[in-house]
Amino acid sequence: AQKVTQAQTEISVVEKEDVTLDCVYETRDTTYYLFWYKQPPSGELVFLIRRNSFDEQNEISGRYSWNFQKSTSSFNFTITASQVVDSAVYFCALSEANYGQNFVFGPGTRLSVLP
Amino acid sequence: DGGITQSPKYLFRKEGQNVTLSCEQNLNHDAMYWYRQDPGQGLRLIYYSQIVNDFQKGDIAEGYSVSREKKESFPLTVTSAQKNPTAFYLCASSSPSSTSGRVNEQFFGPGTRLTVL
Repeated sequence: AQKVTQAQTEISVVEKEDVTLDCVYETRDTTYYLFWYKQPPSGELVFLIRRNSFDEQNEISGRYSWNFQKSTSSFNFTITASQVVDSAVYFCALSEANYGQNFVFGPGTRLSVLP
Repeated sequence: DGGITQSPKYLFRKEGQNVTLSCEQNLNHDAMYWYRQDPGQGLRLIYYSQIVNDFQKGDIAEGYSVSREKKESFPLTVTSAQKNPTAFYLCASSSPSSTSGRVNEQFFGPGTRLTVL
């Protein structure tokens, strides 16, 4: 069965601090996809990144970076030099290629960046 | 602008009433989804449709119904059989998986907040 765990329910940081959001997943498939989404107070989920199970390269996009480690079944997300606009709920999601296009979402981590 | 629209943004329902939430997309996506979000929880899949005139139950389909008569539209009806319908409802769409099995990201609408009075 597929499962996504985000153990950090809420995180508060002061602006300009770095912060890492953890995501641990469970799957029996060898081919799967991992996603991160941001949900600002407006409610709409915004897609951030997709990673497939065969690509373990870390990725950096501006202040955002992602660390994918199959050995620990983790796909962690780091925000460098956080800003108030980063305040949101962040969701990690998993989709198994053999399970079609359906996603399993983690419970989310609420990030508050204080000025 | 391409995207997903949901209406209404806020909806109030009396107990025993059926209500229908609208979801429209102009992204030309084949697949559409409905999720329910409760406070402090992740998204749970209610129904999904991978093609017109076909849809499948998700993890929490009881008390809900859908239709997919047009590619652009995937309305969700919350029936009186749904015991605790107060929640935030999100609609999403995606282009189909490729023949190689690649799974594409889902794009989300702004959501509808349903409250039962």
